Amino acid sequence: DARVTQTPRDKVTEMGQEVTMRCQPILGHNTVFWYRQTMMQGLELLAYFRNRAPLDDSGMPKDRFSAEMPDATLATLKIQPSEPRDSAVYFCASGLFGTVSKAFFGQGTRLTVV
Amino acid sequence: SQKIEQNSEALNIQEGKTATLTCNYTNYSPAYLQWYRQDPGRGPVFLLLIRENEKEKRKERLKVTFDTTLKQSLFHITASQPADSATYLCALQVDYKLSFGAGTTVTVRA
Repeated sequence: DARVTQTPRDKVTEMGQEVTMRCQPILGHNTVFWYRQTMMQGLELLAYFRNRAPLDDSGMPKDRFSAEMPDATLATLKIQPSEPRDSAVYFCASGLFGTVSKAFFGQGTRLTVV
Repeated sequence: SQKIEQNSEALNIQEGKTATLTCNYTNYSPAYLQWYRQDPGRGPVFLLLIRENEKEKRKERLKVTFDTTLKQSLFHITASQPADSATYLCALQVDYKLSFGAGTTVTVRA
């Protein structure tokens, strides 16, 4: 079964450190999303890409977050410097939007910033 | 501002009954409305999609309605089972952007 793969599954880091989360979308999917989930805010859209081009990253704190797709098999989300309020589960999802239009989610990266 | 609101309260129902979840939205003109299921510690999983020109969609024990005038979708789980216990999320798609509500947690008692 094709699936979205995220690494790492869990990450504990100290405040001020750089964090990089990786996502391998499903081969052939043209749209990739990054979401953050917390109990308070639910599932927030941080950024998304179509055919590797960033379409919208207005959901991200610009000064510390960055999202890229260096190639079709890898999407990255970086936080530098990390803060305790960044603690959350970060999900990557991919889909073939424009046709089937449903998103397939990875298992998430649980980030704890202490 | 744009908002997607789901039942704020968790839903506790008896096995065999119908669970009805609500998704209301403001300042969106979605082409599609989708419903996902999320189990603890896992990513959301797609369940159903309904287009703006469709009123109702069914899949096994699930039924979704979509009223673009009321800006509301209802999600029904009929003949509910304990295995249906999960959080259910609605999502609005505008172009390539997919935005989610906070979800409603459903617990089905045996």
